[in-house]
Amino acid sequence: QVQLVQSGSELKKPGASVKVSCKASGYTFTSYAMNWVRQAPGQGLEWMGWINTNTGNPTYAQGFTGRFVFSLDTSVSTAYLQISSLKAEDTAVYYCAREATVTPWAFDIWGQGTMVTVSS
Amino acid sequence: QSALTQPASVSGSPGQSITISCTGTSSDVGGYNYVSWYQQHPGKAPKLMIYDVSNRPSGVSNRFSGSKSGNTASLTISGLQAEDEADYYCSSYTSSSIVVFGGGTKLTVL
Repeated sequence: QVQLVQSGSELKKPGASVKVSCKASGYTFTSYAMNWVRQAPGQGLEWMGWINTNTGNPTYAQGFTGRFVFSLDTSVSTAYLQISSLKAEDTAVYYCAREATVTPWAFDIWGQGTMVTVSS
Repeated sequence: QSALTQPASVSGSPGQSITISCTGTSSDVGGYNYVSWYQQHPGKAPKLMIYDVSNRPSGVSNRFSGSKSGNTASLTISGLQAEDEADYYCSSYTSSSIVVFGGGTKLTVL
């Protein structure tokens, strides 16, 4: 079945880096864009941006430039989110979400989420 | 880009209908028919319930419907059931070529 499976929870110290993976299965990976969404504890959803899975070209929302990098490995149908120079305020659940098959700006398949905790 | 405005909470009794509003501007909700709604149960990933203002993905109950008037979109849930209790988020494509979410609405089924 169509699914996105993300890597497990991470506990990092401030200043460190983290790389979250999102492995797609059940569909042609390069046919649909991949989005990333952040949800801080007890807070709402925040769109981080998206990556064109054909060209690898990323687009970042305001507030997610500089320390955040989207990348791909199409040979294993996997998208990645790397965050560098981690801060306490980066503590959140990070979701990958696929562009919907029927419209470009909705997300029809979501990963289970990856909890990233930044604490000394 | 500011988040879309949703009521923090709504409630209703089983069998009733409720409506959740999502207010934006002419640069997002009012300017495009790319409004989506997501349901999120505690500890779970969001689930797409409505896309392009009023379309339901396959498998979503027809008790869920969406509409838009001007800069405000709405999600209506009819025949409220206990399992509908969750957080609901709207989202919209914007003139800045980005997506913005609403702040979320907690639905309580009394």
